[in-house]
Amino acid sequence: AQKVTQAQTEISVVEKEDVTLDCVYETRDTTYYLFWYKQPPSGELVFLIRRNSFDEQNEISGRYSWNFQKSTSSFNFTITASQVVDSAVYFCALSEVNSGYALNFGKGTSLLVTP
Amino acid sequence: DAGVTQSPTHLIKTRGQQVTLRCSPKSGHDTVSWYQQALGQGPQFIFQYYEEEERQRGNFPDRFSGHQFPNYSSELNVNALLLGDSALYLCASSLGQGITEAFFGQGTRLTVV
Repeated sequence: AQKVTQAQTEISVVEKEDVTLDCVYETRDTTYYLFWYKQPPSGELVFLIRRNSFDEQNEISGRYSWNFQKSTSSFNFTITASQVVDSAVYFCALSEVNSGYALNFGKGTSLLVTP
Repeated sequence: DAGVTQSPTHLIKTRGQQVTLRCSPKSGHDTVSWYQQALGQGPQFIFQYYEEEERQRGNFPDRFSGHQFPNYSSELNVNALLLGDSALYLCASSLGQGITEAFFGQGTRLTVV
């Protein structure tokens, strides 16, 4: 069963629009970590953020912000004032203590930002 | 500070052959994990090496094997290649079996013909 669901396969926005990428996860562990990675066309996965299951504080880093809600098992990612350079595939991932911290990725959301 | 480096970047092999991919972890990291990413899919966990031993394994057949050296670098070996093994193979390094965030290399694109 898919442990991480990214329901949006592709999103297209115009530059300067805000965009939210959804991520829903499933786990029985009480200790786990959630991640977001960006994969540009070059292929390398770029680490964006890691949150542990005990810290539900929202986080903001520049134009990026993350909303972690355990009640809905969601870890959504918002890009404010999107730019063309934000175009990439974004992956949400879950890491569980009982799985030795192996990353379990969603299928990714392809974001296209046009001028 | 060098990040995670993988070699080669691209590789073409014939069905039935064997292949070895290499990974050098980020400086200070002692754990290496390997992932397979098919086109249009998310990466799938193959296995993780820590202290020169395989610690965790995903749902991959025994044709996939690995090794970690004393300097923490790692190899991924795939025997009896199938067309379905064509993918981007990503190496990730972290500290302490993944307690810290994982950093990825640029990947090796393997094409099996």
